[in-house]
Amino acid sequence: EDQVTQSPEALRLQEGESSSLNCSYTVSGLRGLFWYRQDPGKGPEFLFTLYSAGEEKEKERLKATLTKKESFLHITAPKPEDSATYLCAVQEVGGGADGLTFGKGTHLIIQP
Amino acid sequence: DGGITQSPKYLFRKEGQNVTLSCEQNLNHDAMYWYRQDPGQGLRLIYYSQIVNDFQKGDIAEGYSVSREKKESFPLTVTSAQKNPTAFYLCASSNPGAPVYEQYFGPGTRLTVT
Repeated sequence: EDQVTQSPEALRLQEGESSSLNCSYTVSGLRGLFWYRQDPGKGPEFLFTLYSAGEEKEKERLKATLTKKESFLHITAPKPEDSATYLCAVQEVGGGADGLTFGKGTHLIIQP
Repeated sequence: DGGITQSPKYLFRKEGQNVTLSCEQNLNHDAMYWYRQDPGQGLRLIYYSQIVNDFQKGDIAEGYSVSREKKESFPLTVTSAQKNPTAFYLCASSNPGAPVYEQYFGPGTRLTVT
């Protein structure tokens, strides 16, 4: 069973059409939840870290929120340059230097 | 500028040959990681190292080896024992003792074995 599940797998939006990406997780104790953006052929670019339920963080047109079971990445009035794959990852309590557990990502396409 | 470099960007090898991927960071991070990315799958952890001269196996370590002789460097060797070596390989680093411990990634190396 996957510990991190992202949905939808792919999403196509018109420019300006707001939406949300979902990341659900099943780890027993969450130390941190991370959002990354990945462009084709490149390494993931760090966006946000969320630590506890109720926390929210914003960066330009992106806002990440966290509950006890899932996180949402809200995209407001997206532009074509927001097209990318968005990755969610979690780290469990006690895993200070351990690797992250990643979801498979949501491939987002913003059409002009 | 601080960051993580990986070389080469593209690598082609014949089956049966070992190949070493380079990863260097100047972020002064203690921990370094190697992940593998395949189409339709999430990143999977191969090996990680918390300090110099120490490293641990991740979820898919079979057919790979690493060394950590310097804080800045964490090379990955893909051996001939790795059954499906063709993939996109990503190196990352973090400072696990810091209040924030995000992992930062390099640009990746795409390995093709034929």
